Amino acid sequence: DTGVSQDPRHKITKRGQNVTFRCDPISEHNRLYWYRQTLGQGPEFLTYFQNEAQLEKSRLLSDRFSAERPKGSFSTLEIQRTEQGDSAMYLCASSSGQGWYEQYFGPGTRLTVT
Amino acid sequence: EDQVTQSPEALRLQEGESSSLNCSYTVSGLRGLFWYRQDPGKGPEFLFTLYSAGEEKEKERLKATLTKKESFLHITAPKPEDSATYLCAVQSIQGAQKLVFGQGTRLTINP
Repeated sequence: DTGVSQDPRHKITKRGQNVTFRCDPISEHNRLYWYRQTLGQGPEFLTYFQNEAQLEKSRLLSDRFSAERPKGSFSTLEIQRTEQGDSAMYLCASSSGQGWYEQYFGPGTRLTVT
Repeated sequence: EDQVTQSPEALRLQEGESSSLNCSYTVSGLRGLFWYRQDPGKGPEFLFTLYSAGEEKEKERLKATLTKKESFLHITAPKPEDSATYLCAVQSIQGAQKLVFGQGTRLTINP
């Protein structure tokens, strides 16, 4: 059973550029979550999918951020017109919908905006 | 608004020196309280879920307990490999699936 995978692991971009991250959840997990974590802080929730439906979005998710899960399997998170404040670790997690609520996290994508 | 506060922010122990980490929470109906371990540059690793006051769970040198207002992570006779940041999170029963995390406790075990 492979865990949650994320790609790329590191991304350096210039301010104003667009970036896209991918997350592959644990197979058969129908729930997928995106979080953002800055240095010295705990992860902050961004958005949640059940299958292909985006059911919850944080106020942190400005209109420059968009997430998709088109076939209910992998997900992408796109940030348009990146700003230096977007520099953070972007974490993806997945969970089963079978009554257990544990979320299993991937290794994260470290974004640096210069 | 759901809130989690962890203390202390950082803790240094000698190998074999037992201690406890605290997680205080306020939540509008607790679905579950979660403990994770996070190593530098990696994603959080799931440790425990606690669902109701009085519940306890153990794994190797770690034991998690839960009351109506806080949770403790007890570490017994720690080893240097237990050094990591320990994160506490809560999930509300109010329909939301998100985890609300504390800022973590950075634990260092000196040999």
